[in-house]
Parts: sequence; C-alpha cells; structure tokens
Amino acid sequence: DAKTTQPPSMDCAEGRAANLPCNHSTISGNEYVYWYRQIHSQGPQYIIHGLKNNETNEMASLIITEDRKSSTLILPHATLRDTAVYYCIVRVAAGGTSYGKLTFGQGTILTVHP
Amino acid sequence: DVKVTQSSRYLVKRTGEKVFLECVQDMDHENMFWYRQDPGLGLRLIYFSYDVKMKEKGDIPEGYSVSREKKERFSLILESASTNQTSMYLCASISPRGRERNQPQHFGDGTRLSIL
Repeated sequence: DAKTTQPPSMDCAEGRAANLPCNHSTISGNEYVYWYRQIHSQGPQYIIHGLKNNETNEMASLIITEDRKSSTLILPHATLRDTAVYYCIVRVAAGGTSYGKLTFGQGTILTVHP
Repeated sequence: DVKVTQSSRYLVKRTGEKVFLECVQDMDHENMFWYRQDPGLGLRLIYFSYDVKMKEKGDIPEGYSVSREKKERFSLILESASTNQTSMYLCASISPRGRERNQPQHFGDGTRLSIL
C-alpha cells in the first residue's frame, strides 16, 4: 500500500472549517484513499473514502487532486467533539491476495478550540 | 448500522496467564483482523482470518494465536501473557465480495489490556 504523509498537528477554531491535508504521491491507480479518526481511548472511526472523485457525506468532504497525489479532508463546521487523531490511508480494495488490512501512520492530531 | 463488538473495554491480567480477547461482528464479513496499537508505533497487524478456520500471520504474531470457529467471531489468545503485551487491542472486519470490496474496515471500540 502507498505511504501517506500528514502534518503531525493542526488547530482549528470551533465553528470554522477544518482542512486536513494528506500527501500520497506514490498512489497507484487501483488504490483508494480512506480517512479515519480516533478519539482518545476509542477504536478508529471510519469517516469517508474515495478513488478519484470528490466525495461528501454527513461527516465530511474529501477532495482528491486530479493527479491523485494528495487529498484534503474537510470538516465543514468543526466542533469540540471533532478533536481527535485523523488518519489518511491508501489501500487497494479487499479481495484476492489483498485482504484489506490497514496500515496506520502517525496521523494528524486535530485540536478544536472554543 | 455496522457493528463490531469486543468483549471487554478494559482488562487486567497477570504475567503467565492465558488471556482470551473476543470479537464479534454482525455484518457477515469474511475477513477479520486483530491489531495492537501502541504510542509511537501506530497500528500493527497481529493476525487476520479470511474464512472460518482460516488464519494468516500478520506483522507481529509472536506470543499470540487466534481462533475462528464461526464466521462472526474471531478470538485472540495470549498463550502466556507478558508485560510487553500491555497494549490497546483492536478488532476489525471487512468483506472482500463484489461491491463491498472497497468498503472500509469497521473497528470495535478496543480492549485496553494491562499485564501486571
């Protein structure tokens, strides 16, 4: 699976948009971009994923550049409860010899301030 | 809604004990995983299973074994617990079938295990 690079930490004011970047310059054509977050002492929570088109769900938006070498997770109106470690992961779809296992890096610690 | 349930959130055991961590998923997923998570080391794969009674070693299988007798249940066993196995243990599942192949892994809430 392709390696990802994220800033170690970011701050955001409550109510503002949080934009979390991720570089994945070695991504291959069949690899998806996944975002998870982990609040202290809990299991990772899935947020969103995409292949090449921008995606939006009730939690966030995912913007993938045209060359797919980087992406940005957008939390449109951050709240204090969004304070967590955010992980960007690149992975092929499960199946065949790819069992879908994940490799988490260090992620970005997002702190949302009042 | 998807659900992966781990039997205990917190567990304290003694060195040398045999420890069982249980995980159940209700999504009919074929693939299940056990990870451990330690500060500064990220998430590391211990074992995974792609079918009932089938298992594969992950990156750090030493000191652990697993059991998958039923599709929905995947157990992690510490044969003789040691203090360096104190960690957060996470179970996850995914389906490799058809349209579900690109769907995300879903995780349980984790078991924080302390070995004294």
